[in-house]
Amino acid sequence: EVQLVESGGGLVEPYRSLRLSCAASGFIFDDYAMHWVRQVPGQGLEWVSGISWNSGTIGYADSVKGRFTISRDNGKNTLYLQMNSLRAEDTALYYCTKGKTFASYSGAFDIWGQGTMVTVSS
Amino acid sequence: MELTQSPGTLSLSPGERATLSCRASQSLSSYLAWYQQKPGQAPRLLIYGATSRATGIPDRFSGSESGTDFTLSISRLEPEDFAVYYCQHYGTSPGFGQGTKLEIK
Repeated sequence: EVQLVESGGGLVEPYRSLRLSCAASGFIFDDYAMHWVRQVPGQGLEWVSGISWNSGTIGYADSVKGRFTISRDNGKNTLYLQMNSLRAEDTALYYCTKGKTFASYSGAFDIWGQGTMVTVSS
Repeated sequence: MELTQSPGTLSLSPGERATLSCRASQSLSSYLAWYQQKPGQAPRLLIYGATSRATGIPDRFSGSESGTDFTLSISRLEPEDFAVYYCQHYGTSPGFGQGTKLEIK
């Protein structure tokens, strides 16, 4: 079964850091790009960051550039999101999602995890 | 690059046809997808490449494009189709539309 399981969310104070993880199974992880998408409860979807299969292409939304870092460990089938200098507006449900297209950064997102909630508050 | 979805809310009855629109601010070269999201669930990919159905998606769902205008059509609404729908461009800097809520009339 193809599966993505996020972890690492929680309550954190402003300006602090948090690292999210996403464990992948059921597919060849290092063949596909991976992305993080977030959603404030009751609101729309926002793409946060993406990384190609070999980490050669990385992108960030302007809202997180310079504060968040995406990475992957293909040996562990795991995607990460290091979030620094967190702000109240980063409060959201963070989804890990898989790119659909083999060995391409650009592709629709065909598999989604259930998300991990990040709450930034003092 | 911005995506504008319309209408914000669409009220229809089961069995009716739904037409959801997504307008891009510039050319997407068909790098357009549609997702369905139900309360408490993650989004589900319906359409990619503007017109191709994802695996397991019923054929009552179809996508079309005309220049920078994209449409998701649901031919005969089933009760399980009432949800929020998002369009997305997936180039080098992906982005989503604001969503259309399809509700039961």
